Amino acid sequence: KAGVTQTPRYLIKTRGQQVTLSCSPISGHRSVSWYQQTPGQGLQFLFEYFSETQRNKGNFPGRFSGRQFSNSRSEMNVSTLELGDSALYLCASSPTFGEQFFGPGTRLTVL
Amino acid sequence: SQQGEEDPQALSIQEGENATMNCSYKTSINNLQWYRQNSGRGLVHLILIRSNEREKHSGRLRVTLDTSKKSSSLLITASRAADTASYFCATDAVETSGSRLTFGEGTQLTVNP
Repeated sequence: KAGVTQTPRYLIKTRGQQVTLSCSPISGHRSVSWYQQTPGQGLQFLFEYFSETQRNKGNFPGRFSGRQFSNSRSEMNVSTLELGDSALYLCASSPTFGEQFFGPGTRLTVL
Repeated sequence: SQQGEEDPQALSIQEGENATMNCSYKTSINNLQWYRQNSGRGLVHLILIRSNEREKHSGRLRVTLDTSKKSSSLLITASRAADTASYFCATDAVETSGSRLTFGEGTQLTVNP
């Protein structure tokens, strides 16, 4: 099976802009989770979607949002970008729960 | 914020030696997972141990879990230069439905040839 794919791999934006990141899970996986990784805060959970519904949400401001489509592909959106949003954004998929399989990540730089 | 702690934060060993990393967590868990990350890339799943298991093996990896102490350890035997990476433990808490992992701060392992 193909692994989790994320697009784009690298992104440069300026403060105030918005960005949309995409994640395609492993075929057959219905759960997609998003994580933010920064040197200061480490790996932090953003949210999880299962069957197009948000099942879990982390402690991030409302500028961070996501959605899942009927084919399980997911997108996350960050509006009004801040310098502190610069991070590696990781997407993970799993069948329902348990082992999560991560994609290569999207490196977002906010200038 | 991170709810897990790993020690050591950094570990440097010679090829062929064993590497042991420890992880502590705070809540009751369904399972604990270990991941490897190379140079800011994606996370590679290594092993999952359930809360009712005490030890698990996979190739050169051995994981132990002590739920009474809320701690786990990852042992890599006969290390290789290719094992150089950051290693993270992640817990799946009982009170969470679905998938939501809480990660430790990670151990940076360097294996010198």
